[in-house]
Amino acid sequence: TQLLEQSPQFLSIQEGENLTVYCNSSSVFSSLQWYRQEPGEGPVLLVTVVTGGEVKKLKRLTFQFGDARKDSSLHITAAQPGDTGLYLCAGAYSSASKIIFGSGTRLSIRP
Amino acid sequence: DADVTQTPRNRITKTGKRIMLECSQTKGHDRMYWYRQDPGLGLRLIYYSFDVKDINKGEISDGYSVSRQAQAKFSLSLESAIPNQTALYFCATSDYVSGELFFGEGSRLTVL
Repeated sequence: TQLLEQSPQFLSIQEGENLTVYCNSSSVFSSLQWYRQEPGEGPVLLVTVVTGGEVKKLKRLTFQFGDARKDSSLHITAAQPGDTGLYLCAGAYSSASKIIFGSGTRLSIRP
Repeated sequence: DADVTQTPRNRITKTGKRIMLECSQTKGHDRMYWYRQDPGLGLRLIYYSFDVKDINKGEISDGYSVSRQAQAKFSLSLESAIPNQTALYFCATSDYVSGELFFGEGSRLTVL
């Protein structure tokens, strides 16, 4: 059973378009992270959000933590081919707990 | 050199064989994790350890065991491998403050 559900599972869009990826759970998390994974490599951290309603920006990427700390979204503006990869959300119930991952969103950006 | 090193990177074995995947880190982190990645399922937690004397089961620990030999070393064993354990296995470390996970490059295991 996946405790963190990501949608969509796959997304293929044209360069320059905007997109949003969602990460949802019925559980409350003390923090939520977003990772990006490229083929043949381990995931690499993009951002950590810890406060309900928090919004963080990383260049063209905007991350939001839901007010109730049960969900999060990743919005990419003007997608570039270099954004292609597997995007994973991960949550921790507390600083002393394990970190669990969502099912991932595989993003493909067509030139 | 990589901060988190996994060996072997690739392994093909037969059903019933014992397999050990090893992980070592130079980041000085107390926390270490083993995850399994299958297509369409993201990463699932197998075992985790918050210090040398601490071992905890994750979401899918059945059929696996671990050993934390030192702060820097955390190994994963499959006592009797079966085909549905064919997957990509990742070791990761984190510190208490940031919680950021640092991953190894993965060990691809095929059980025939």
